[in-house]
Amino acid sequence: GQQLNQSPQSMFIQEGEDVSMNCTSSSIFNTWLWYKQDPGEGPVLLIALYKAGELTSNGRLTAQFGITRKDSFLNISASIPSDVGIYVCAGQLSGNNNDMRFGAGTRLTVKP
Amino acid sequence: NAGVTQTPKFRVLKTGQSMTLLCAQDMNHEYMYWYRQDPGMGLRLIHYSVGEGTTAKGEVPDGYNVSRLKKQNFLLGLESAAPSQTSVYFCASSSGQGTDTQYFGPGTRLTVL
Repeated sequence: GQQLNQSPQSMFIQEGEDVSMNCTSSSIFNTWLWYKQDPGEGPVLLIALYKAGELTSNGRLTAQFGITRKDSFLNISASIPSDVGIYVCAGQLSGNNNDMRFGAGTRLTVKP
Repeated sequence: NAGVTQTPKFRVLKTGQSMTLLCAQDMNHEYMYWYRQDPGMGLRLIHYSVGEGTTAKGEVPDGYNVSRLKKQNFLLGLESAAPSQTSVYFCASSSGQGTDTQYFGPGTRLTVL
């Protein structure tokens, strides 16, 4: 099936640093989504992107829908300890929730 | 609102045993989904439902059955568990099928020995 490749797999950063992570695929997606997953919990939606080239922010988080529609990027500025968690990207192939593909996640550790 | 709840949180089964995972949502959502999450892999859709009394296959449906007898509940059944079904199972719900936000439950960690 259509796979999403997330990188990096893990990141260790100092509090206050900025973070960038990305999600790529060989397939074209209609929608890109970014989730945060805490240990023992399900994913929680952070940002949704609906158009190629779209740049959307949610507080210190900014995500972009790649022009080729095959990738997306998530940036976190001025990281804080509560940013710790797993960031998961997802893409909708046809604009339906039942046709989504998820990345394996980027595990973020923030050192105070 | 409790949102999406899952029962149980943990379970250990022996190969060949059966069990049912329960998902409940109190948001009056039409759509519900069952996913599995395995190490190093993204969530994969097992089955989903677009309304009470309806179910459909997702990406990895083999070995699982589902039922949606009530709008608020979505059950996932394993008739004869196999070690390959060891995973963390997540239920989700959404108000509509399109790009509506999916709300996920806390997950059920299942180990099949």
